[in-house]
Amino acid sequence: AQSVAQPEDQVNVAEGNPLTVKCTYSVSGNPYLFWYVQYPNRGLQFLLKYITGDNLVKGSYGFEAEFNKSQTSFHLKKPSALVSDSALYFCAVRLDAYSGAGSYQLTFGKGTKLSVIP
Amino acid sequence: DTAVSQTPKYLVTQMGNDKSIKCEQNLGHDTMYWYKQDSKKFLKIMFSYNNKELIINETVPNRFSPKSPDKAHLNLHINSLELGDSAVYFCASSEARTAGETQYFGPGTRLLVL
Repeated sequence: AQSVAQPEDQVNVAEGNPLTVKCTYSVSGNPYLFWYVQYPNRGLQFLLKYITGDNLVKGSYGFEAEFNKSQTSFHLKKPSALVSDSALYFCAVRLDAYSGAGSYQLTFGKGTKLSVIP
Repeated sequence: DTAVSQTPKYLVTQMGNDKSIKCEQNLGHDTMYWYKQDSKKFLKIMFSYNNKELIINETVPNRFSPKSPDKAHLNLHINSLELGDSAVYFCASSEARTAGETQYFGPGTRLLVL
């Protein structure tokens, strides 16, 4: 089984300050990790993913995330928040190995609402 | 524009009706998915489908059925709609059903069952 935890329902940050949205995961194997963003009344937009290699992954709109295997975390970060970053952020995990029906299922966290205050 | 599109954007209907939501992708992807997002924004996979295999989440009622006329389309048909079916339904696609592939999502269909 695989699961994702986003421990914060909401994160508030002042414009221009660095932001972090937390994500921890649990899988019985090597994880593939994803971040998506959902703006109000919109679909999910892909931000970045970790497959293998460098633990620091850079993505769209200046976001980056660091894979930490020992802490089973994949926190999303941005050095300087913009008001336009305000949205709902989802972390997702997928197992890297095929194990029958349901394999490669993308499991999402419950989402973290980011509010950037002007 | 290359994208995943869904119709309709909004769907309001009565309990007991049968309805369909259409999804099309012009990304040339082999695999398509349906997700349900509930009122608390929780996202859950319902189906994944490519030309070889349909994988169904066992928690999905059999009133829900995906239908794929061709590789670029995966429609969702719902029989005997219930109040609890009210949610936002997202279609997604990926190049293949492998672990590293990114899924690209449509804009969603907001279903309200009265």
